Amino acid sequence: DGGITQSPKYLFRKEGQNVTLSCEQNLNHDAMYWYRQDPGQGLRLIYYSQIVNDFQKGDIAEGYSVSREKKESFPLTVTSAQKNPTAFYLCASRNSRGTGNTIYFGEGSWLTVV
Amino acid sequence: GDSVTQMEGPVTLSEEAFLTINCTYTATGYPSLFWYVQYPGEGLQLLLKATKADDKGSNKGFEATYRKETTSFHLEKGSVQVSDSAVYFCALRLGSNDYKLSFGAGTTVTVRA
Repeated sequence: DGGITQSPKYLFRKEGQNVTLSCEQNLNHDAMYWYRQDPGQGLRLIYYSQIVNDFQKGDIAEGYSVSREKKESFPLTVTSAQKNPTAFYLCASRNSRGTGNTIYFGEGSWLTVV
Repeated sequence: GDSVTQMEGPVTLSEEAFLTINCTYTATGYPSLFWYVQYPGEGLQLLLKATKADDKGSNKGFEATYRKETTSFHLEKGSVQVSDSAVYFCALRLGSNDYKLSFGAGTTVTVRA
């Protein structure tokens, strides 16, 4: 089945460590996104990529980094510079061609700093 | 800037009750509007969408009509079930090539048997 796979589902990080969240999609979508969700809040855009080897900062990119070496993959690294990284992270993708296209989400990754 | 405002929750209902979640938007152009649902511990799923004024999106008994005159996209369901307990997000995107999907804060709905 086509879809977006995020891993791990749950991750614990010690302060000062970098961690990488994986996002893989087999939908042949060009565009991929990372959002952060905090309790009681909506989603905030961290980074997005519209094509391989290209990505742009979203609204809250500080303390995060991404790469887009393959169309299917858009990993997110939460660096030690991110001061409040505990959150639910959602990866998404969409086909940027055509009109009325929909953004599809993965099931999310919970990151907790211990 | 472009934004979405949702009615604050939480909302608690009994089974078979009528559900309305208000959503209004501010946008400089003509956005597409979406409702997403998030079940506990899961990612977001598209519930329904509308891409132009007066369109009605519908799915799983839920409906929402794109009202340009009131800049609204209220979500309704006539008879809720316990399985409808979730967080509901209203969202907008300005154009088909716009990368950014702007979300409301979400409304938590709990349906009791």
